[in-house]
Amino acid sequence: QVQLVQSGAELKKPGASVKVSCKASGYIFIDSYLHWVRQAPGQGLEWMGWINPDSGGTNYAQKFQGRVTMTTDTSISTAYMELSRLRSNDTAVYYCVRDVEVLDFWGQGTLVTVSS
Amino acid sequence: DIQMTQSPSTLSASVGDRVAITCRASQSITNYLAWYQQKPGKAPNLLIYEASSLDSGVPSRFSGSGSGTEFTLTISSLQPDDFATYYCQQYNSYPWTFGQGTKVEIK
Repeated sequence: QVQLVQSGAELKKPGASVKVSCKASGYIFIDSYLHWVRQAPGQGLEWMGWINPDSGGTNYAQKFQGRVTMTTDTSISTAYMELSRLRSNDTAVYYCVRDVEVLDFWGQGTLVTVSS
Repeated sequence: DIQMTQSPSTLSASVGDRVAITCRASQSITNYLAWYQQKPGKAPNLLIYEASSLDSGVPSRFSGSGSGTEFTLTISSLQPDDFATYYCQQYNSYPWTFGQGTKVEIK
């Protein structure tokens, strides 16, 4: 069965960077784009962008341009999302999500807390 | 960016009720509309895609309708497991955007 297993919770200081991983199994990794979506505490869902694991091509939401980097390591079927210059309002649960023309399967989420 | 507006924000209902949630897009998204259910502390779960297609394993009491700018998620007979927050999302154009969510509460 499809699984997206994300790395554990992170606590970061303002100005730092965080890198969240997402290990895929149960399907052919390079066959589907992977998106990243975040959710601040008690808030709604916010799309951040996608990566094509086959080509490495990316498409980032303008809001995150210059601060986010999405990569993959196809040898271990793992995607990464790195967010830099963190600020307190980046505190959120970050999800990786498989795209089969719709966001059909979500990772369990990774809580990133930004606090001094 | 396409704005997605859901109504109501909160809905109080009883088991067995028929409930409907509306989602409006700020411009036409044809039928590129998905609905998700989210329970506290869990990731969202896909219910419906292409406005009206039920994802695999989703109970038939859930249905979706609409096209263009106005869409509806209907639960024909609310069950205890359905008390959750529901989000619509457009995937017609980037950036993909979500509605603000509708919380379905026990009356």
